[in-house]
Amino acid sequence: DGGITQSPKYLFRKEGQNVTLSCEQNLNHDAMYWYRQDPGQGLRLIYYSQIVNDFQKGDIAEGYSVSREKKESFPLTVTSAQKNPTAFYLCASSKGTARSSYEQYFGPGTRLTVT
Amino acid sequence: GQSLEQPSEVTAVEGAIVQINCTYQTSGFYGLSWYQQHDGGAPTFLSYNALDGLEETGRFSSFLSRSDSYGYLLLQELQMKDSASYFCAVDGANNLFFGTGTRLTVIP
Repeated sequence: DGGITQSPKYLFRKEGQNVTLSCEQNLNHDAMYWYRQDPGQGLRLIYYSQIVNDFQKGDIAEGYSVSREKKESFPLTVTSAQKNPTAFYLCASSKGTARSSYEQYFGPGTRLTVT
Repeated sequence: GQSLEQPSEVTAVEGAIVQINCTYQTSGFYGLSWYQQHDGGAPTFLSYNALDGLEETGRFSSFLSRSDSYGYLLLQELQMKDSASYFCAVDGANNLFFGTGTRLTVIP
């Protein structure tokens, strides 16, 4: 079955530590996205990538970093510079063809708690 | 900048029809998407409108009026499993900008 996997489902870290969230897709999609969701809120875009070795900042990129070395993988690092890292993180992908971002496929998410 | 407005909560009776409205302000607009998210789960794509008018997909329909910067999601024959959060999202060509969501509660 094709889909997006994120691991782990729950992650706990101490303040001041960097942490990397995994996102892998086997849908053969070109575009991938990272969102942050806080309780009762919508999804806010952190970073997105439309092609391997290229990515752009979203609305709330400060304190985060990404890489896109392979088409299938788009890991997100939450750095110690992110002031409020505790949140639900969602990874998504879309076909990447022109005007295809409207339909995104989401992974199950990683719930990060930093204390 | 971009902004979307949706009601924060809606309650409806099983078997009824409910409409969730979305108004938007954006500098770049290609269309309006709708997503459903159950508690603790991943959002799933429901519908997309690039042009004015109504799009129907089974029990769900979505409407767009570009001149009014307005859209809505219509859910018919409500079922208990439809209890979830519903998000409208503006398609800005390369990415989506999401609203804060409407929590729908379906009651017996």
